[in-house]
Amino acid sequence: GAVVSQHPSRVICKSGTSVKIECRSLDFQATTMFWYRQFPKKSLMLMATSNEGSKATYEQGVEKDKFLINHASLTLSTLTVTSAHPEDSSFYICSAQGGMDTDTQYFGPGTRLTVL
Amino acid sequence: QQQVKQSPQSLIVQKGGISIINCAYENTAFDYFPWYQQFPGKGPALLIAIRPDVSEKKEGRFTISFNKSAKQFSLHIMDSQPGDSATYFCAASLDSGTYKYIFGTGTRLKVLA
Repeated sequence: GAVVSQHPSRVICKSGTSVKIECRSLDFQATTMFWYRQFPKKSLMLMATSNEGSKATYEQGVEKDKFLINHASLTLSTLTVTSAHPEDSSFYICSAQGGMDTDTQYFGPGTRLTVL
Repeated sequence: QQQVKQSPQSLIVQKGGISIINCAYENTAFDYFPWYQQFPGKGPALLIAIRPDVSEKKEGRFTISFNKSAKQFSLHIMDSQPGDSATYFCAASLDSGTYKYIFGTGTRLKVLA
């Protein structure tokens, strides 16, 4: 149980385009979803917290107009990187909370974004 | 006060040995302490977690030791195997309704065959 999927697993795009990443909780309803960014050999950096049906809460320094988050249902959250630039290239990981253990975050497999 | 300090940064252990990773925190309001294992190119996977009312928790070869007075907790991997080679992250969260985690900086473990 408590499986989280992400799609796509890898995406390459041109500079200036927008990219959407989906995060789904497959076997539980996620009251809260989190989006992280991870640089090589570094820890996870929380970007934003989203609750179903409400606006996401962004961490300090994260541009909310750049990284659009939509949590439309209890099983789906999306992250859209708008007007992507090479510096946005990174490993993006989502997590979902709301399974049997309400304190636990279950992570997706991650999405590798490369902006050319 | 929101930091979680993790050590060592990297660790090399012989097969069959014990791997020990330590974390320390300052905020006494933290009340949930999970450990995650991450392989390259993959998302973190929950290994084991503990709450402050318990001093030790064991699941298979993985044990968390928790010292509330010292504000420290550690992960012990018994009989370490090459398949355990991964990056390990400790985390702490507050019972504040947001369920946000504060992550440690990670420990890269390599188990030699």
